[in-house]
Amino acid sequence: GAVVSQHPSWVICKSGTSVKIECRSLDFQATTMFWYRQFPKQSLMLMATSNEGSKATYEQGVEKDKFLINHASLTLSTLTVTSAHPEDSSFYICSARDLQGRGYTFGSGTRLTVV
Amino acid sequence: DQQVKQNSPSLSVQEGRISILNCDYTNSMFDYFLWYKKYPAEGPTFLISISSIKDKNEDGRFTVFLNKSAKHLSLHIVPSQPGDSAVYFCAASDAGKSTFGDGTTLTVKP
Repeated sequence: GAVVSQHPSWVICKSGTSVKIECRSLDFQATTMFWYRQFPKQSLMLMATSNEGSKATYEQGVEKDKFLINHASLTLSTLTVTSAHPEDSSFYICSARDLQGRGYTFGSGTRLTVV
Repeated sequence: DQQVKQNSPSLSVQEGRISILNCDYTNSMFDYFLWYKKYPAEGPTFLISISSIKDKNEDGRFTVFLNKSAKHLSLHIVPSQPGDSAVYFCAASDAGKSTFGDGTTLTVKP
């Protein structure tokens, strides 16, 4: 089945630094990937849609200069949290549509803690 | 305005019984509905989906029902097993972008 690999699974960084999260489709090509964020005990919130070879589409309220998305190839999308602050601490998850078109395969998520 | 709602934050059932998880939506443009299962600190796992042109889809112990007129869908798990204990999210998709409910924590007691 379709597999989406997300790295790192967890990261702790200092305020003001930047963190890059990678999302790879291992056995299929994904022209579109989605980035979500989940706060504790809350739902997944769509942050942006990542399109291969073009600019990402950000949801309302998401700062595009803070959450940089690069989808440089058909198997890799990256999310960079720039100048991270403690309020950016969250669980970030990517997804891509699976080969069978049944649904969206999710990465395992990245737990970001900014101290 | 929350477009996808799961009004029950938690549900507890006995092993072997049926679990029914409910979800309501408001946007009539949604054309695809999905259920996911999620364990703590992991990404959601796809369970089952249904197109808006259908009213029922079954996969093993999991059945999803869609009532478009009521803008309501439900997930039935029968028989429920302790391993089914997790958070279940419903999601509604419009042109590929999914909107998620807040989730329902299912606990299946042995």
